[in-house]
Amino acid sequence: GAVVSQHPSWVICKSGTSVKIECRSLDFQATTMFWYRQFPKQSLMLMATSNEGSKATYEQGVEKDKFLINHASLTLSTLTVTSAHPEDSSFYICSARIGLSMGNEQFFGPGTRLTVL
Amino acid sequence: GQNIDQPTEMTATEGAIVQINCTYQTSGFNGLFWYQQHAGEAPTFLSYNVLDGLEEKGRFSSFLSRSKGYSYLLLKELQMKDSASYLCAVTGYSTLTFGKGTMLLVSP
Repeated sequence: GAVVSQHPSWVICKSGTSVKIECRSLDFQATTMFWYRQFPKQSLMLMATSNEGSKATYEQGVEKDKFLINHASLTLSTLTVTSAHPEDSSFYICSARIGLSMGNEQFFGPGTRLTVL
Repeated sequence: GQNIDQPTEMTATEGAIVQINCTYQTSGFNGLFWYQQHAGEAPTFLSYNVLDGLEEKGRFSSFLSRSKGYSYLLLKELQMKDSASYLCAVTGYSTLTFGKGTMLLVSP
């Protein structure tokens, strides 16, 4: 099946710093990539949807200036958490979809555990 | 908007059968997914239903009734490795919305 990688798998940073997370589709070109956040014992919450070459669409309540998303190619999307604070500590997961149909399966990356001290 | 309900936790014994239910209300429906998620890992795809009926795939089966806004995931011949969270997710007009997940604990 299709493989999606994320880097780093975990990161610890000081409050106020910025952290970049990469999401790559390794063996396919992803029309659309999604970024989710998951707090302990909670479900995945969609943060934003990004299509290659265009601006990301953010879900209500997600600050676009704080969570910068760049989707420069069909195989790479990046999420930058700017000026991170302890409340941003979470499990960040990306997914990639091959086609445009909502019926197309999303392939998930392994996730990035962010801890902000 | 979309609202998805599934039980928080379930327990079962090895070798048994368990059914995890999911009910949903959604504006626009393009299908329902079931994912398995082990602690600290990303979700993995189990099934996709867009038409009413039962889809069987090995030990796992998934059922959908669109008129009732209802789905279930059936796991047969439970194994210890099936202990995980099972996420019901519904596709609307543009995005995939996840339920909170059902934590399944399989005991010997």
